[in-house]
Amino acid sequence: QVQLQQSGPGLVKPSQTLSVTCAISGDSVSSTSAAWNWIRQSPSRGLEWLGRTYYRSKWYNDYAESVKGRITINPDTSKNHFSLQLNSVTPEDTAVYYCARQTSANMDVWGKGTTVTVSS
Amino acid sequence: EIVLTQSPGTLSLSPGQRATLSCRASQSVSSSYLAWYQQKPGQAPRLLIYGASSRAPGIPDRFSGSGSGTDFTLTISRLEPEDFAVYYCQQYGSSPRFTFGPGTKVDLK
Repeated sequence: QVQLQQSGPGLVKPSQTLSVTCAISGDSVSSTSAAWNWIRQSPSRGLEWLGRTYYRSKWYNDYAESVKGRITINPDTSKNHFSLQLNSVTPEDTAVYYCARQTSANMDVWGKGTTVTVSS
Repeated sequence: EIVLTQSPGTLSLSPGQRATLSCRASQSVSSSYLAWYQQKPGQAPRLLIYGASSRAPGIPDRFSGSGSGTDFTLTISRLEPEDFAVYYCQQYGSSPRFTFGPGTKVDLK
């Protein structure tokens, strides 16, 4: 079955870049029937969709307005994974970050989550 | 942006009872684009219902979804001990692509 394995540092300093990677098994990041999403969850913001990447003859990205300009989601076909980079982080970016597979209009497979704390 | 509101915030029930959870959208949502998730402490959300009323693979038939337009409902016909959790509705749209409701916690009375 499809599994998503997340990795990344749990502590990031303010103004630095948050990076989390999601390794895919049982599916392909280049699948033309899926999209690969990042979502975060915090007590203050609840579940918040951040963005996605997907392949439909070429690569596309969508990003939430709330993080546009600071976020990059990149697929890596050689490693079959995708990554999240969030620049210029502040304590407000402290959250649990999830990767998830989207098929149709919902997310059917989720990673276990990475707790990221922004603190000096 | 479509805003989802869930009620009640907390539902205190006993095993065997029926749970009825509401999700209201600020604008009409296509039924195809409304989903429900269950989340237990320390775990990721799990897809329960998609397309407003279709159960995801492996989801017991005590879970059912209904509704259209701006009003959607998740019903758990008879609560099992493992059903005590937080439930979120989610809609898929244009900008942002996905929005989630604030959640309803079903806890043990």
